[in-house]
Amino acid sequence: DTGVSQDPRHKITKRGQNVTFRCDPISEHNRLYWYRQTLGQGPEFLTYFQNEAQLEKSRLLSDRFSAERPKGSFSTLEIQRTEQGDSAMYLCASSLAGVGHEQFFGPGTRLTVL
Amino acid sequence: QKEVEQNSGPLSVPEGAIASLNCTYSDRGSQSFFWYRQYSGKSPELIMFIYSNGDKEDGRFTAQLNKASQYVSLLIRDSQPSDSATYLCAVTGGSYIPTFGRGTSLIVHP
Repeated sequence: DTGVSQDPRHKITKRGQNVTFRCDPISEHNRLYWYRQTLGQGPEFLTYFQNEAQLEKSRLLSDRFSAERPKGSFSTLEIQRTEQGDSAMYLCASSLAGVGHEQFFGPGTRLTVL
Repeated sequence: QKEVEQNSGPLSVPEGAIASLNCTYSDRGSQSFFWYRQYSGKSPELIMFIYSNGDKEDGRFTAQLNKASQYVSLLIRDSQPSDSATYLCAVTGGSYIPTFGRGTSLIVHP
């Protein structure tokens, strides 16, 4: 395992459908983060896990978004009843615990909601 | 609200020149500072991190941190066309959640 992987890399869906994305972090990393990035902006924090515990969730995140990391390894991000405004790149990153440990990003999942 | 500010650019420099990218942050409690490079359509890639005031050098890259003035910069020496990308500044405090700037677009022309 040489890096963070995400699946799928691209997803096109119709408004109102549910989508689920998967992230596999670097194996020894116990922290996992989800971000959303739109054109011309930096990554926007959504939520993060330490092991299987979801420790923080952005107040900007609507109830349509949910994330899990059931065994402290891979994570899933689900968006229910997608809207056109959900179109973005969804990035996953992982790191070791502790202040200052740098995050390593996966390739991202590009979501297009028609 | 924690803010990280970067000039969106583009910053255009000739090949071989020094590119200077700047970032300011609002949270005085910030502890860790990161520079990421992001090519169009790709995910961010970590270039450097710095925790202490002063300079940190890694090859052609130098990160500079001034906590009193709340800015961090990235210098790229001998700029190459392959350095053309968006450079993201990220700042982390005790919450372990980084705040990213919107990035500065760098163009290195031959």
